[in-house]
Amino acid sequence: AQKITQTQPGMFVQEKEAVTLDCTYDTSDPSYGLFWYKQPSSGEMIFLIYQGSYDQQNATEGRYSLNFQKARKSANLVISASQLGDSAMYFCAMSAYLYNNDMRFGAGTRLTVKP
Amino acid sequence: EAQVTQNPRYLITVTGKKLTVTCSQNMNHEYMSWYRQDPGLGLRQIYYSMNVEVTDKGDVPEGYKVSRKEKRNFPLILESPSPNQTSLYFCASIAGVGTQYFGPGTRLTVL
Repeated sequence: AQKITQTQPGMFVQEKEAVTLDCTYDTSDPSYGLFWYKQPSSGEMIFLIYQGSYDQQNATEGRYSLNFQKARKSANLVISASQLGDSAMYFCAMSAYLYNNDMRFGAGTRLTVKP
Repeated sequence: EAQVTQNPRYLITVTGKKLTVTCSQNMNHEYMSWYRQDPGLGLRQIYYSMNVEVTDKGDVPEGYKVSRKEKRNFPLILESPSPNQTSLYFCASIAGVGTQYFGPGTRLTVL
């Protein structure tokens, strides 16, 4: 069975600095997708970034990048130049490759950006 | 505008009173899903549907029902709600590999 682990319940970062949120996963499937979502205090789930297991390059989306280390089964999110608006819960998730029909989420990391 | 809508957004009810949370998407997606979110547990999948009349259980289906009579709608039904179903519920619609749209969430309290 697939499993996602986020070991950091809470993180603090100074505004304008970079921060890495950890995510490890466990699966026996060769094909899978890895996701990061942001959940601000308002509650909505905001898609940030996606990495397919066969993608050779690490995914990037603006200030977000996913540090994908397949052999270590890790998919850490790196946020560069943190902003106050980045304060939120962040969830790592994994799914079957094609249809996300078995999507598993980690417990989340609460990021607080300090001014 | 592409969106997933859920209603109601907030609901307080009592044990045993049947309720339905509606979910609708305007993107003609085949795949839809329901999740519940509880503190410290992240999101857990309740049910998913790969197309009209095709539904299957996720990780935590007990106490829930769904139906998919038309592509755009995927309601979640709690026939006899209990306090342990107090949670934040999300509906999601999937465009394809790596693209999942979430609804705004429904916060349910069962007294």
